[in-house]
Amino acid sequence: GDSVTQMEGPVTLSEEAFLTINCTYTATGYPSLFWYVQYPGEGLQLLLKATKADDKGSNKGFEATYRKETTSFHLEKGSVQVSDSAVYFCALNSNSGYALNFGKGTSLLVTP
Amino acid sequence: EPEVTQTPSHQVTQMGQEVILRCVPISNHLYFYWYRQILGQKVEFLVSFYNNEISEKSEIFDDQFSVERPDGSNFTLKIRSTKLEDSAMYFCASSAAGGSYNSPLHFGNGTRLTVT
Repeated sequence: GDSVTQMEGPVTLSEEAFLTINCTYTATGYPSLFWYVQYPGEGLQLLLKATKADDKGSNKGFEATYRKETTSFHLEKGSVQVSDSAVYFCALNSNSGYALNFGKGTSLLVTP
Repeated sequence: EPEVTQTPSHQVTQMGQEVILRCVPISNHLYFYWYRQILGQKVEFLVSFYNNEISEKSEIFDDQFSVERPDGSNFTLKIRSTKLEDSAMYFCASSAAGGSYNSPLHFGNGTRLTVT
């Protein structure tokens, strides 16, 4: 069945460092891919999405490119801020149903 | 900005008891969902609900679980006889259209259920 694997956390970075959180997926067909973020004490929020191969989703300085050849959707940001400290979830939807299939989440801590 | 609200934020119950988790989705949304996250594990899909009926459910959503939209604003998840393994964070979500590729899901802050 469909699945998402993302890198284990926690990830600790200094402010202004470069961020990469790896995400790979297994799915039949052509799923849509998402990154969700959960700030402390809040619910999950959609950060960005891509619905087909080679699409790049971007938001708030974060980017991720849908790579079909490597079945990956890695999240990147060039310069992280303390306010980016949160848990990041990679997810997919197979486009044949309503369910989102999530990874385990990666906790990011950015220190000043 | 409109948001999904969930109550209570934390519920403690004894094994075998019934529990109802409550959610108020965004008012003009038509699709409603429950997800859960057991500590240290993935966020898992439980059920989606549209037009007053279940549109999709996972293997987790067995006969112990039920959902209801009792009025025009609330969306509830009932667990009939809780087990220790039901302890988790339960997230409610809603969307304007069906399928997360069409319309983003808006999640609540979650209810932490602890079964003792």
